[in-house]
Amino acid sequence: GAVVSQHPSWVICKSGTSVKIECRSLDFQATTMFWYRQFPKQSLMLMATSNEGSKATYEQGVEKDKFLINHASLTLSTLTVTSAHPEDSSFYICSARDRLAGAPDTQYFGPGTRLTVL
Amino acid sequence: TQLLEQSPQFLSIQEGENLTVYCNSSSVFSSLQWYRQEPGDGPVLLVTVVTGGEVKKLKRLTFQFGDARKDSSLHITAAQPGDTGLYLCAGGRGFKTIFGAGTRLFVKA
Repeated sequence: GAVVSQHPSWVICKSGTSVKIECRSLDFQATTMFWYRQFPKQSLMLMATSNEGSKATYEQGVEKDKFLINHASLTLSTLTVTSAHPEDSSFYICSARDRLAGAPDTQYFGPGTRLTVL
Repeated sequence: TQLLEQSPQFLSIQEGENLTVYCNSSSVFSSLQWYRQEPGDGPVLLVTVVTGGEVKKLKRLTFQFGDARKDSSLHITAAQPGDTGLYLCAGGRGFKTIFGAGTRLFVKA
């Protein structure tokens, strides 16, 4: 149980294009999903918190117009990196909370998406 | 300010050795999770501890939540190369989850 998928697992794009990453909870409903960015050999950096049916809450320093988040259903959140630049290249990971779980603080992570912007 | 301090940051040991990783804070957490992450993959949940003083075992891994719910430890017995990875602790505080910086473990065969 508590499986989270991400698609694509890796993507290479040209500078200036937009890239959409999908995050799905496969066997549970997630009212809250999180998007993280991870640089090599570092811990996770929270970018934004996504709540189903409402606007995402972005962490300080994260541009909401550049990283568009949509959480249209209880099982799907998307992150769109708009007008991507090489400095956006990173490992993006989503996570989801199971709202019915006994320990609702627990987050279940997707496998991550490696984005490379040329 | 790092609310969750993990130590050590890096650990390289021989197969068969024991080790302990610590996760400390001055804040109280409603729960605490331990994750293991391998390169190119997302963190995988190992355990969630909720009750102060709680001890959970997962094969060769023993997790303990401090009595005051401010700290936790992960002990690995007879480490194996397959235990290599980044170990992350995370604490729940209200709506947010706070992550430690991680302990990078390398177990040599």
